[in-house]
Amino acid sequence: GEDVEQSLFLSVREGDSSVINCTYTDSSSTYLYWYKQEPGAGLQLLTYIFSNMDMKQDQRLTVLLNKKDKHLSLRIADTQTGDSAIYFCAESIRSGGYNKLIFGAGTRLAVHP
Amino acid sequence: DVKVTQSSRYLVKRTGEKVFLECVQDMDHENMFWYRQDPGLGLRLIYFSYDVKMKEKGDIPEGYSVSREKKERFSLILESASTNQTSMYLCASSAPGRYEQYFGPGTRLTVT
Repeated sequence: GEDVEQSLFLSVREGDSSVINCTYTDSSSTYLYWYKQEPGAGLQLLTYIFSNMDMKQDQRLTVLLNKKDKHLSLRIADTQTGDSAIYFCAESIRSGGYNKLIFGAGTRLAVHP
Repeated sequence: DVKVTQSSRYLVKRTGEKVFLECVQDMDHENMFWYRQDPGLGLRLIYFSYDVKMKEKGDIPEGYSVSREKKERFSLILESASTNQTSMYLCASSAPGRYEQYFGPGTRLTVT
């Protein structure tokens, strides 16, 4: 079945780069997503990558996709305290004729001075 | 911008009560979803709907039902609330043919 795995915690120093990793199982996933959840809020779509791409850059965010290993990562350059949040990886699936997302458990990023 | 709103941010109910959680989206999206979020478990899909009056079970539908009478509104119903339904409930919507979902702010429900 489909499964998305992430480590639960990551702590980084302000100004350093953060790398959040994710593995997924469905090799037919067309899109892979990163969402951010700030305390007490819903999920905000951060970025996504199409499955035929290896890398996507969007300002401080870089997404890397290794399709052979089914590994996705999100790199945040120059991490700031405002980046402290839970980051969810999600894979797209087509199931029963419907488009769905399967989410990981989320990685809590803590940024300290 | 897509806007998804949920009727309450915080809700406290007693065991056995009937609970309604409302979700409204303003982007004419056909697809709407209800998830619950628990620490360490991520988001689990309860129900989804791809059209008015249409519903499909997700991964954990037991103890829940839904209603979609209008395109913009999707309601989650707990027929008889139990303490194990204490959780954060998130509503989302997406456009037809698209995978990306847009989320509301969530409702933190406590059942005592």
